[in-house]
Amino acid sequence: DTGVSQNPRHKITKRGQNVTFRCDPISEHNRLYWYRQTLGQGPEFLTYFQNEAQLEKSRLLSDRFSAERPKGSFSTLEIQRTEQGDSAMYLCASSLRSWYGYTFGSGTRLTVV
Amino acid sequence: DQQVKQNSPSLSVQEGRISILNCDYTNSMFDYFLWYKKYPAEGPTFLISISSIKDKNEDGRFTVFLNKSAKHLSLHIVPSQPGDSAVYFCAARVQGGSEKLVFGKGTKLTVNP
Repeated sequence: DTGVSQNPRHKITKRGQNVTFRCDPISEHNRLYWYRQTLGQGPEFLTYFQNEAQLEKSRLLSDRFSAERPKGSFSTLEIQRTEQGDSAMYLCASSLRSWYGYTFGSGTRLTVV
Repeated sequence: DQQVKQNSPSLSVQEGRISILNCDYTNSMFDYFLWYKKYPAEGPTFLISISSIKDKNEDGRFTVFLNKSAKHLSLHIVPSQPGDSAVYFCAARVQGGSEKLVFGKGTKLTVNP
């Protein structure tokens, strides 16, 4: 069990570029979550997958954001036409049965310049 | 709107003494409350939880108290250790099957040797 793995750890991009982050959950976990954390704030929910199905989406997930979890394994989060306000830590979490006691990854820190 | 509030950004205590971290909430529909601990450059780690039907839950040095009438919960750490120094997040789940957790902004605890 290597925990929840997120790549890359850091990403610097120019405004207007597209970025994609990857999350590899703990292997037996069928639930996967994406959160965003900005400076001085707690994590904010973005979306939730059960296996390959995306079952919940926050209104924070604008049209520029898309998440996928093909085959119910790893997940990707893509941000198109990045804006400076997208600068944040993007956290992925997974769990086996339910929302209870997620295991978080270390996150991907995005800086949009 | 901030449904989960941690009004103290920071707290400093001496090793061996009690640390008390507070959290207030506004949504009566929360049915579970959780505390997460976060070290720098790592994702949050689940610490302890409490159901809304209980008023206390204990796990080793950590105890969470819930006062539903006051919409207030607190995390007690006794005795505090330098390794407890971290940011502590209070989180809550809305009843009704959502997998989403709502987090507070966090309190940075420093335990001085």
